[in-house]
Amino acid sequence: QVQLVQSGIEVRKPGASLTVSCKASGYSFTDFYIHWLRQAPGQGLEWMGWINLNSGGTKYAEKFQVRLAFNTDRSINTAYMDLVSVTSDDTAVYYCAREESSSSGYHFDYWGQGVLVTVSS
Amino acid sequence: DIQMTQSPSSLSASVGDRVTITCRASQSISRYLNWYQQKPGKAPRLLIYAASSLQSGVPSRFSGSGSGTEFTLTLSSLQPEDFAIYYCQQSYRTPPTFGQGTRLEIK
Repeated sequence: QVQLVQSGIEVRKPGASLTVSCKASGYSFTDFYIHWLRQAPGQGLEWMGWINLNSGGTKYAEKFQVRLAFNTDRSINTAYMDLVSVTSDDTAVYYCAREESSSSGYHFDYWGQGVLVTVSS
Repeated sequence: DIQMTQSPSSLSASVGDRVTITCRASQSISRYLNWYQQKPGKAPRLLIYAASSLQSGVPSRFSGSGSGTEFTLTLSSLQPEDFAIYYCQQSYRTPPTFGQGTRLEIK
């Protein structure tokens, strides 16, 4: 069965960097894009960007352009999100999600379990 | 960015009730609209994609309709496990954007 398993809870000080991993199983890894989203405590869902696991191409939300990078290690079916210069505003649960296309756009059919990232001095 | 607005923001209902949640887009998005359910401490779960297609494994009491700028998610007979937060999401334009959520609570 399709699974996306993310790395564990992270605590960072302001100004630090952060890496979250997302290991896929149960399907052909490079056939689907992976998107990254986050959810601040008690808030809604915010899209951060996507990575094409076949080509390595990426698209980032404008607000994260300078601080965010996505990578992949195809040999272990894992996608990574790197966020630098974190602040307390980056405290959130970070999700990876698989994109599936349909006749009307795309949707996120499988999600990782989420990683709670806390930024605090 | 396309703004998605859900109504109501919260809703109290009883088991067995029929419930409708509305999602409005700031511009026409054809049928590029998805619905998710989220329970506390869990990742969102896809319910409906392309406005009205039921995701595999989702009970048939969930249904979606609409096109253009107005969409609805209907739960035909609420079950105890349906009390959660529901989000709509558009994929018509990048960035994909979500509604603010509708919290469905037990009356």
